Amino acid sequence: DIQMTQSPSSLSASVGDRVTITCRASQSISSYLNWYQQKPGRAPKLLIYAASSLQSGVPSRFSGSGSGTDFTLTISSLQPEDFATYYCQHSYRTPPAFGGGTKVEIK
Amino acid sequence: QVQLVQSGAEVKKPGASVKVSCKASGYTFTGYYLHWVRQAPGQGLEWMGWINPNSGGTNYAQKFQDRVTMTRDTSISTGYMEVSRLRYDDTAVYYCARGGGSSSEYDFDYWGQGTLVTVSS
Repeated sequence: DIQMTQSPSSLSASVGDRVTITCRASQSISSYLNWYQQKPGRAPKLLIYAASSLQSGVPSRFSGSGSGTDFTLTISSLQPEDFATYYCQHSYRTPPAFGGGTKVEIK
Repeated sequence: QVQLVQSGAEVKKPGASVKVSCKASGYTFTGYYLHWVRQAPGQGLEWMGWINPNSGGTNYAQKFQDRVTMTRDTSISTGYMEVSRLRYDDTAVYYCARGGGSSSEYDFDYWGQGTLVTVSS
């Protein structure tokens, strides 16, 4: 099975900061990489699919990049509503797997 | 608009079974895979398997092969996920999610609100 490793596991940032989260796959997954945002007590929300495609309705300050084994989620200017936990997930083949999550907290 | 509405919270004893429902609306139920994902308290997300609502075919994660059954009733656009022989570490929020709306059947573009299953004696 393909394993997903995210870093960092948590970070503190201020409103307006540029934030970068990385995700590494244990083997090449081409561009089959998704990013989700989850707020406490809520279901995850799809932000980015296929490594760099923005899901409908998601603000353009979110962007994704990468292919193969290394991927990045960038928030260009952190907003108050962006404080949440972010998960990467590969959709390359069964079983799909999630990274361990990155909690973005207020500095 | 697409909606997935799940059944309410459950409390079960170890060894019992639980069945969670997920009612879909706003799209063609048979046109997209339905996945189940769980999240233990304070932990990450774990994929459990999918059902193809059109054919009824299923694919379970190896970990759940012998304890999970996914079914559907197309007449009411509802999927079901049953876990048998419950253990304390099955305590989690269980989510249904629609797959295949984007580039892969494993892109989960809409999610249910979650169902908390608590296993307690």
